[in-house]
Amino acid sequence: DAKTTQPPSMDCAEGRAANLPCNHSTISGNEYVYWYRQIHSQGPQYIIHGLKNNETNEMASLIITEDRKSSTLILPHATLRDTAVYYCIVRTYGQNFVFGPGTRLSVLP
Amino acid sequence: GAVVSQHPSRVICKSGTSVKIECRSLDFQATTMFWYRQFPKQSLMLMATSNEGSKATYEQGVEKDKFLINHASLTLSTLTVTSAHPEDSSFYICSARSPRTHGYTQYFGPGTRLTVL
Repeated sequence: DAKTTQPPSMDCAEGRAANLPCNHSTISGNEYVYWYRQIHSQGPQYIIHGLKNNETNEMASLIITEDRKSSTLILPHATLRDTAVYYCIVRTYGQNFVFGPGTRLSVLP
Repeated sequence: GAVVSQHPSRVICKSGTSVKIECRSLDFQATTMFWYRQFPKQSLMLMATSNEGSKATYEQGVEKDKFLINHASLTLSTLTVTSAHPEDSSFYICSARSPRTHGYTQYFGPGTRLTVL
């Protein structure tokens, strides 16, 4: 079973920041937080991952709370092409990825 | 991100035939690869874990004799759906795990849509 809880859907206006929350209250000390997204009829795309420090790359920023029980994926300037299902997954190195239902983000013009 | 390819991207076959799907890791050698299945409006479900040079490990409820997996090299895994039936119609996605030095991150292929008539 997935160890995370995400809202089923969110809307965001094009050009604005999209903030996608994820709760992982039972996360253990050696589990990382991963984010993937799946655009319709494609395979999941890796976005970012982190352990406890905030992370940023060319796609997004990952903010992890100090107690690590929740995190937020930030897409700074959402575009229509960011419309997808976003999956938040926690796992240790070497564990399989277990996908929950994710958050369906709709970026609106 | 790393590139994982799948072939074919789409296949239509008759009931009772077998279909082979190839998954290639193009950017790194993958000792472990995974096969997932996704039905419409559902999330990905892990079918099996494939380790290079050894037998695949199947998830509960997945028939190993129906879904044959071969991981003959560090860059290639194949999934063969034997005696396909309409209920096997689905979106099949493979994934390759990067080496430990790259964080064991999984990279996914573009998927193969199988339609069994």
